[in-house]
Amino acid sequence: QKEVEQNSGPLSVPEGAIASLNCTYSDRVSQSFFWYRQYSGKSPELIMSIYSNGDKEDGRFTAQLNKASQYVSLLIRDSQPSDSATYLCAVPRYGGSQGNLIFGKGTKLSVKP
Amino acid sequence: EAGVTQSPTHLIKTRGQQATLRCSPISGHTSVYWYQQALGLGLQFLLWYDEGEERNRGNFPPRFSGRQFPNYSSELNVNALELEDSALYLCASSFVMARETQYFGPGTRLLVL
Repeated sequence: QKEVEQNSGPLSVPEGAIASLNCTYSDRVSQSFFWYRQYSGKSPELIMSIYSNGDKEDGRFTAQLNKASQYVSLLIRDSQPSDSATYLCAVPRYGGSQGNLIFGKGTKLSVKP
Repeated sequence: EAGVTQSPTHLIKTRGQQATLRCSPISGHTSVYWYQQALGLGLQFLLWYDEGEERNRGNFPPRFSGRQFPNYSSELNVNALELEDSALYLCASSFVMARETQYFGPGTRLLVL
């Protein structure tokens, strides 16, 4: 099993819909989880972090974490064409002791006007 | 507050040459991370520096090296360039006590001909 897995997409949703992005991870000691947004040709931008089971909301974004299932998701409500990007899920390796984040390969989201 | 900066934005080299990439972290951040994002491979961790010391390195050959200066800026050197080194090289920074929360710079796109 890969350390961090995401559906590569592309995920296509109409403008105004909810986009749901999923991520599973293998390291049971992971305590923190991150979502980055990467526009084509640009660098990743941190958009959400989540540390506890349940939901965390920030504007149109909601991160959901289920540690028992080793699953984290990102919901984007009222999707806009400007949300079209690749979304990367990241987990600190060995709980952060190694310094680096392990990234999924990303899900490409396309929001159609 | 200024974000992570990197230079140059683009770099073109030929096989066998050396490349030097530079990064300045966010003010107050002492940890610097280097990642490689090659086409189709996702983000791969290269190196982690903190307080001038190399703290961890990813699964890359020794021709990838770097250093961190007293002002916490960092340099990545790639010797004996190979065609497959063509990639986007990303620098990220964090507070050492919150190393999992990493902010990326714009990247340096390296093309090896």
